[in-house]
Amino acid sequence: AQKITQTQPGMFVQEKEAVTLDCTYDTSDPSYGLFWYKQPSSGEMIFLIYQGSYDQQNATEGRYSLNFQKARKSANLVISASQLGDSAMYFCAMREGHYDYGQNFVFGPGTRLSVLP
Amino acid sequence: DTEVTQTPKHLVMGMTNKKSLKCEQHMGHRAMYWYKQKAKKPPELMFVYSYEKLSINESVPSRFSPECPNSSLLNLHLHALQPEDSALYLCASSQDPPPNTEAFFGQGTRLTVV
Repeated sequence: AQKITQTQPGMFVQEKEAVTLDCTYDTSDPSYGLFWYKQPSSGEMIFLIYQGSYDQQNATEGRYSLNFQKARKSANLVISASQLGDSAMYFCAMREGHYDYGQNFVFGPGTRLSVLP
Repeated sequence: DTEVTQTPKHLVMGMTNKKSLKCEQHMGHRAMYWYKQKAKKPPELMFVYSYEKLSINESVPSRFSPECPNSSLLNLHLHALQPEDSALYLCASSQDPPPNTEAFFGQGTRLTVV
């Protein structure tokens, strides 16, 4: 069963505008972490932001913020003031907290963001 | 140092060759991962090492053989690969326990099997 859903295969945004990338997840574990990664064409996966299931506030990291709605099981990424260098593939990922070591990160299918000049 | 280093960056190999991919991290992470990523797809987990012991093997064919010689190094030995094994191979590491520890990824090895 698909645990992470990203319904937007591709998105376009004008430079300097804000954009929201959607992510919904499915888990029965009360303890989990949600992550967003950026993958430029070079291939490297770059960690952007993390949200824990028990965190009371939405995570923010510079121009990135995470709109966490626990009851809806959604963790949307908001990028403010888009830059041309933000053009990349974006993956939402989840890690469940079984407290076993070496648990897997499950990735969504990704959203390709293109920033237009 | 928040870096995961993978070598080589590109590899072309024949179906009868034996080659190895290498991954190194010096962040003191005790979990290390191999992922395979096909074009326009998300990474798929292959193996997880935790405290230098193989903890997850996602039914990967035996032509892929992982090795963790010490806590900083992770190898993936390749033998008799098929053209469909051509992909980007990503190494990652993370602290434990889960869930609130992000994985740091290397730049990947782009493998082409001819």
